[in-house]
Order: sequence, then C-alpha cells, then structure tokens
Amino acid sequence: AQKITQTQPGMFVQEKEAVTLDCTYDTSDPSYGLFWYKQPSSGEMIFLIYQGSYDQQNATEGRYSLNFQKARKSANLVISASQLGDSAMYFCAMREGVRNFNKFYFGSGTKLNVKP
Amino acid sequence: NAGVTQTPKFQVLKTGQSMTLQCAQDMNHNSMYWYRQDPGMGLRLIYYSASEGTTDKGEVPNGYNVSRLNKREFSLRLESAAPSQTSVYFCASGTVNGYTFGSGTRLTVV
Repeated sequence: AQKITQTQPGMFVQEKEAVTLDCTYDTSDPSYGLFWYKQPSSGEMIFLIYQGSYDQQNATEGRYSLNFQKARKSANLVISASQLGDSAMYFCAMREGVRNFNKFYFGSGTKLNVKP
Repeated sequence: NAGVTQTPKFQVLKTGQSMTLQCAQDMNHNSMYWYRQDPGMGLRLIYYSASEGTTDKGEVPNGYNVSRLNKREFSLRLESAAPSQTSVYFCASGTVNGYTFGSGTRLTVV
C-alpha cells in the first residue's frame, strides 16, 4: 500500500485565492511526522511545514497551514492568498516512527499553477 | 550559508560509463541520504547513511554504490551507467524533524 497518496496531479488557482492540496497517509505507528515541501521550476526542494502526530494544534507557517485530521489520516496543505510565486510542485512526506527516522516517504506530488 | 552542496548540477554519460556524485553538508547531521526523482513518482530513496561509517540500502539501490567518507560527505557512484538511471538525483541530510536537500543533479544517460 502507498504510504503517502496525493490524488491531485495538477491544480489551478486564481491569484489571491486560497487553495488546498490533498494528502493522505498510511501508518500504524503512533509516532510520525508529516511534512510538505515545495519544488519550484528551478528544482530545489524547499521545506514548508511540519506536523507531529502528537501535536494538538494544526501547524502554521505564514501563509501555509496544515489541516491535520488524524482519524481520517489526512494532512492537507492550505495556502492562503495565493501568489504567482507559489506555482510549483508540492510534495507531501511522512517520517514514520521516531528512532528510525530514515523511514521517510514521499508522495508523487501536486503541480500547482497560480493564474494572474 | 549552511546547507547541503552537491556536484555536479548537470551530467551526460554514455551507457557503461561511470561517475561519482558528490555531496557535503555543514549542518553536523549524522544522517545523509541519496534520492532519485522521476516524473510522477516522487522521490525514491537509493541509499542512506545513518551515521559516519554506516550505509544501508533504500528502496532502489540496484546499480549504485555509496561511500560515507566522513561526517560531512556522502558520495553516490554509478559503476556502469544505464539509460534507466536517467533521473534527477538529490542528496539530503537531516534529523527527525526533517531534511535539507541539495540543489539536485540532472543526469542523462544516452
């Protein structure tokens, strides 16, 4: 089974609007971490936001927030007030467990296009 | 700036040639990783090194070898390149709270 599933290969959003990128995960380990990375056309991987499985509140970083629904095993990324510079590939990832943090899984990504 | 540096940025190889991708980090991380990225498949782990002196296979290790030269450096070697190894390669280092990635190497094998 896929550890991380991103069901939206591509999305469009109008500039200044909010957009939600979907991510579901699969793990039986009670301790895990969820991450979102941005990959612009230049190719680098940029860390955006992190949510731990025991965190009570949803993580926020500026215009990024992570909508963490533990029972549904979803970790959707919400980008508020989209900007043209947000056009990029977005990857959801999960670190499974605490001790062996080499178990780090990536989804297949969502390509976001922001329209002016 | 602190981070992960990998070289080269671009490389074209002929089938059967060998090459080594270099990676160095200055964040004092114990763990380092090599990933490949292919269209529609996200990032897949090739090899990792949990600490200096140790290396382990990831999801797609065939056709690759690695060396953890010291705490800072982790290299990836292709002994006999094949067209199936055409990909973008990322080195990363990290902790339990996440990874920092290098800027990537775009490798084409013809």
